[in-house]
Amino acid sequence: GQSLEQPSEVTAVEGAIVQINCTYQTSGFYGLSWYQQHDGGAPTFLSYNALDGLEETGRFSSFLSRSDSYGYLLLQELQMKDSASYFCAVSNYGGSQGNLIFGKGTKLSVKP
Amino acid sequence: EPEVTQTPSHQVTQMGQEVILRCVPISNHLYFYWYRQILGQKVEFLVSFYNNEISEKSEIFDDQFSVERPDGSNFTLKIRSTKLEDSAMYFCASSERGRTYEQYFGPGTRLTVT
Repeated sequence: GQSLEQPSEVTAVEGAIVQINCTYQTSGFYGLSWYQQHDGGAPTFLSYNALDGLEETGRFSSFLSRSDSYGYLLLQELQMKDSASYFCAVSNYGGSQGNLIFGKGTKLSVKP
Repeated sequence: EPEVTQTPSHQVTQMGQEVILRCVPISNHLYFYWYRQILGQKVEFLVSFYNNEISEKSEIFDDQFSVERPDGSNFTLKIRSTKLEDSAMYFCASSERGRTYEQYFGPGTRLTVT
């Protein structure tokens, strides 16, 4: 079977740093994506790792270790608007097809 | 900025009825997808579509479902005979060639089956 595990909820304060972990077990793996979804909204792409290491995009960074089947999303300088659900998603095909298999999501609550 | 659009935003239907959900993907994208999300749960892949044919489909996408690209802009999902458990938010998404990990999602259609 295919599974992605991530914490269901995380709470942090404004200005803090939070890390959301994701472990995966899938048949075929090309990369790990992260999506943000505000309540009532659509998923929005944040970041993608195909190779081991850290990818940085502004306040957000994502890390991948293929050997450990593990990745994380790091959010720095948290703002209230970062309160949302964050999903890791595996691409188990190469760039030519690429349906995404999503984790169950981590609900991040940012407190003042 | 180009975006994926979906209509209607909310559809209420009776069990056993057929529904068609419509999507207009981003114009230069070549890959199209349908996902669904039951309230409070994860996003689930239904089907991917490329070059006018289904690329892949999940176990959820059974014979009750079909997709079509009737013209150069629209992409539709049809559910032939809706069941109560089909109630969910349905998202259409599209992506560029070679960047299928970066999918652009529409705002969704909330389907309620009564």
